[in-house]
Amino acid sequence: AQSVTQLGSHVSVSEGALVLLRCNYSSSVPPYLFWYVQYPNQGLQLLLKYTSAATLVKGINGFEAEFKKSETSFHLTKPSAHMSDAAEYFCAVSDGWNNDMRFGAGTRLTVKP
Amino acid sequence: DAMVIQNPRYQVTQFGKPVTLSCSQTLNHNVMYWYQQKSSQAPKLLFHYYDKDFNNEADTPDNFQSRRPNTSFCFLDIRSPGLGDAAMYLCATSRLGQGSYNEQFFGPGTRLTVL
Repeated sequence: AQSVTQLGSHVSVSEGALVLLRCNYSSSVPPYLFWYVQYPNQGLQLLLKYTSAATLVKGINGFEAEFKKSETSFHLTKPSAHMSDAAEYFCAVSDGWNNDMRFGAGTRLTVKP
Repeated sequence: DAMVIQNPRYQVTQFGKPVTLSCSQTLNHNVMYWYQQKSSQAPKLLFHYYDKDFNNEADTPDNFQSRRPNTSFCFLDIRSPGLGDAAMYLCATSRLGQGSYNEQFFGPGTRLTVL
């Protein structure tokens, strides 16, 4: 069975500071990994995905994530936080062979001026 | 643009009064999902359709039903809403098949209020 664990339900950074949101996965097969962002009263929007090509994945809005198999991690980073990055972020894992996607519990990012 | 559409965006119903939420897609995806999301929680999968095949999650209450009359549309029916059913309901789609990663595309959600 697959699962993801997001470390830290709340992360607060200052505007312009580094954003680091942590995600660790568990999977018995090579995983496909995703980061989604959710703004208040909206659906989930895909930020980026890892599909077994490059281990460093670049997404929208300046975010990127690195797949590290040895650490079973897929942490999301952004060099410089912007006020508009304040949102809920979900890490998710899929094996691509069935209809199952597992979401982490989410991390709420707050950006202080 | 290809997209997932949910109507209405906000729905208010009375305790015990049946309500139907609608989802449509222009992506021509073969899988459609319904999730329930309560405040500050991850989306919880209720059920999904793989083409016409309905797949219910084991812990989805009988109060929740779904219909998929064609590829483009999927409905969520709540037969007798309780106060605990107040939540955001998210529809998502994916294309499952060779070379698929099961990436899911989400609609904007319907926020259900139960009075």
